[in-house]
Amino acid sequence: QKEVEQNSGPLSVPEGAIASLNCTYSDRGSQSFFWYRQYSGKSPELIMSIYSNGDKEDGRFTAQLNKASQYVSLLIRDSQPSDSATYLCASLSGNAGKSTFGDGTTLTVKP
Amino acid sequence: DAGVTQSPTHLIKTRGQQVTLRCSPKSGHDTVSWYQQALGQGPQFIFQYYEEEERQRGNFPDRFSGHQFPNYSSELNVNALLLGDSALYLCASSLQPGEQYFGPGTRLTVT
Repeated sequence: QKEVEQNSGPLSVPEGAIASLNCTYSDRGSQSFFWYRQYSGKSPELIMSIYSNGDKEDGRFTAQLNKASQYVSLLIRDSQPSDSATYLCASLSGNAGKSTFGDGTTLTVKP
Repeated sequence: DAGVTQSPTHLIKTRGQQVTLRCSPKSGHDTVSWYQQALGQGPQFIFQYYEEEERQRGNFPDRFSGHQFPNYSSELNVNALLLGDSALYLCASSLQPGEQYFGPGTRLTVT
C-alpha cells in the first residue's frame, strides 16, 4: 500500500462544474498536507496547504482535511479548461523534511 | 524574484557513468530537497539539505549523494548510472516545511 493514494483518473468535468479530487494517507503521524498542480511537461506548483481538520478556501479552490478518516480532498469550483492538469497530493510527517507524494489525478476540463 | 533554477535541462549519459545536477533555491529559502519523478508517477523523495547537512533521506541507494553550499545552492550526484535512473530530477526549495517551490527539473536519460 502506498503511503499516499490517489485515483489516477482521468477525471473529466465540463467547464463551470465542480471538480472533486481525493486523497487518502496511511501514516497517522502526518500533520500537514499539500496540493500541487502539474501541467504536462512542467514541474509541480504548490496551490494549497492545509494543517488542521476542516475546510480551507482560497479563491476557486477548497481543501478539506479529515484526520480521523485520513482523508484529504481538493474541490475546484467553476472549473476552467486551464485547470486541466495532474493534481498531486502530498503529506508531511511531523516536522520531518520528507514529503510523500501520491501519483496524482489527471483532471480534464472540457469546454 | 528569481525562482528555483536547475541545470542542465536535459542530460544523456551512458550506464556506469556519473552525473552531477545543480540547483539554486528561491531567494530567501534555506532548505533544498531533491526528488526523482518517473513518467506517470509522483515525485519520490531522495534527500533534503538544510544548513549544509543532509537532514533526511528517502529510500535511495548510496549511489545518490548530495551537497549544499553556504549560499544554499545544492548538487545531486549519481554514480554508476543504471538504466532505471532515467527520470525527471526535481529540486525544490522551501522556507516553511512542506511548502515547496519546484525548479523546472533536469531530464536525465541513461542509455
